[in-house]
Amino acid sequence: QVQLQESGPGLVKPSQTLSLTCTVSGGSISSGSYYWSWIRQPVGKGLEWIGRIYTSGSTTYKSSLKSRVTISIDRSKNQLSLKLTSVTAADTAVYYCARAGYTYGSLPFDYWGQGTLVTVSS
Amino acid sequence: DIQMTQSPSSLSASVGDRVTITCRASQSVGVYLNWYQQKPGKAPELLIYGASSLQSGVPSRFSGSGFGTDFTLTISSLQPEDFASYYCQQSYSTPWTFGQGTKVEFK
Repeated sequence: QVQLQESGPGLVKPSQTLSLTCTVSGGSISSGSYYWSWIRQPVGKGLEWIGRIYTSGSTTYKSSLKSRVTISIDRSKNQLSLKLTSVTAADTAVYYCARAGYTYGSLPFDYWGQGTLVTVSS
Repeated sequence: DIQMTQSPSSLSASVGDRVTITCRASQSVGVYLNWYQQKPGKAPELLIYGASSLQSGVPSRFSGSGFGTDFTLTISSLQPEDFASYYCQQSYSTPWTFGQGTKVEFK
């Protein structure tokens, strides 16, 4: 059973860099054909996909965030990471990591972390 | 970007009711349409993938249908544990996008 667990600072100052880690257990982040994504959700609002990294290491980002986002994989630690630079209050949200894999002609998020709240405030 | 529009944004229903939520895509997504349930303070959970395939472990009262731009999620007989928010999501093309959500509340 694959499990994902986000970790990182809960409070980040404006203009600084938000850094989160997602630790994957129950399976190797390097095996299979999966997209590992970061998704965020402002409190009380909807879900926003931030970007993804394929098992091979190739990345795709949401265009409006592309200049500020980096998603990477640390295969030795079986971890996924997110870095978001120059944060503002608009980046305050619960951040989720999630796995998507091809399943019968679709590509759903079948495993999610529990989420971690990041607040941007001075 | 593909815009996903759900309706209604919220609904009130009673235990045993049949509930239908619709999701419309701004362009065809084929069957690359997934549905999630989210309860307060929890991560979303996959219900339906490929527009109509039931995720393992999900009760059979949940069903999905549709192709292209118009999709529906149906709960045949609403149970107390089904009061939650529901989101559709397209995985046809990046950026992957979600509907704004439908909150199912107790009448």
